[in-house]
Amino acid sequence: GAVVSQHPSRVICKSGTSVKIECRSLDFQATTMFWYRQFPKQSLMLMATSNEGSKATYEQGVEKDKFLINHASLTLSTLTVTSAHPEDSSFYICSARDPGPFEKLFFGSGTQLSVL
Amino acid sequence: GQQVMQIPQYQHVQEGEDFTTYCNSSTTLSNIQWYKQRPGGHPVFLIQLVKSGEVKKQKRLTFQFGEAKKNSSLHITATQTTDVGTYFCAGSGGYNKLIFGAGTRLAVHP
Repeated sequence: GAVVSQHPSRVICKSGTSVKIECRSLDFQATTMFWYRQFPKQSLMLMATSNEGSKATYEQGVEKDKFLINHASLTLSTLTVTSAHPEDSSFYICSARDPGPFEKLFFGSGTQLSVL
Repeated sequence: GQQVMQIPQYQHVQEGEDFTTYCNSSTTLSNIQWYKQRPGGHPVFLIQLVKSGEVKKQKRLTFQFGEAKKNSSLHITATQTTDVGTYFCAGSGGYNKLIFGAGTRLAVHP
């Protein structure tokens, strides 16, 4: 199946710094990618839909100035957590839709963000 | 907005026992998907159901989609320790996005 690569897998940063997370579709083009956030032992909460060449669509309650999304190419979407605070600590995971006939998602391996 | 509810939140069984998780949507779904997430891992696609009343099987796993396309279930027969993980349903109601249920964490005791 298709492969989605996410980097870094883990990051520890100081409060107030910005962190960039990359999500790449390795063997297919993804015009749309999705960013999720997952707290321990909880479900995946959709944060935003990243659209190649246009602005991301954010879910209700997600601060677009806090979580900057850029989808500059058909294989790369980035999520930047700006001025991170301890409450931003979480597991962030990206996904891309199967380019085939099904609507299934391929997920990246996730990024564990810890803000001190 | 659209909500997808999933129960139970957690279940532990003895190896060999059966397991079922249920999913309900507040709205009619165009399709429903099931994912499995192993501890420390990322979700992996299991199956997609599209048709009303559809039933699909994958070895010991049986997936059902309700007639009204608002509910679904995953049943595992004779669980094994390799079945451990969290099972998520995800509903697609439109707008090009999936809404995930809360997940059911399955623990299997040998």
